[in-house]
Amino acid sequence: GQQVMQIPQYQHVQEGEDFTTYCNSSTTLSNIQWYKQRPGGHPVFLIQLVKSGEVKKQKRLTFQFGEAKKNSSLHITATQTTDVGTYFCAGPQGGSEKLVFGKGTKLTVNP
Amino acid sequence: GAVVSQHPSRVICKSGTSVKIECRSLDFQATTMFWYRQFPKQSLMLMATSNEGSKATYEQGVEKDKFLINHASLTLSTLTVTSAHPEDSSFYICSAGWRSSGALGTDTQYFGPGTRLTVL
Repeated sequence: GQQVMQIPQYQHVQEGEDFTTYCNSSTTLSNIQWYKQRPGGHPVFLIQLVKSGEVKKQKRLTFQFGEAKKNSSLHITATQTTDVGTYFCAGPQGGSEKLVFGKGTKLTVNP
Repeated sequence: GAVVSQHPSRVICKSGTSVKIECRSLDFQATTMFWYRQFPKQSLMLMATSNEGSKATYEQGVEKDKFLINHASLTLSTLTVTSAHPEDSSFYICSAGWRSSGALGTDTQYFGPGTRLTVL
């Protein structure tokens, strides 16, 4: 079945350092979505990428969708302690409305 | 943004009892709601897809008689864990399908705050 792989599983950084998480799908995706889950919280929608090669920015966060629409990345510039949490990517399963989630990357930021 | 509520946020129950969890989309209508289960430090596992006015579609390995889902309206879906046992203890999260155009359907999902179930 369709798989969404995400690396790294964990990332520890010093405040101010950059952070990147990578997402790879076993199949071509119509779109890819990113969610953030704070410790003890629930996933919160961050962004959706639809176009091949698309790049979107949200303040210090930069999201990219690969040309083949099978991979994506999230890059955070100059991390802050408020960035801690687990970042999940997710892609639609086939032609359905269901999402297949990656295992997530847990980010911790040392002040 | 779209808001989804979930109630209760925490529940502790005795083994053998049933627990009902409600999921509501507060400011939009959702034809589709999703129920997930999340174990500690793990990703979201989709349990079932709930469509308004029809039977839920369960993922492989999820017992439909144990996890009863009802989607009575475009803003409310319920999950009932029947005859709960300690192994059912988990974090249950619902999400509602949202389409940025405002039309019914799912482009993205907005998640409720989750229900932490502990079965003694």
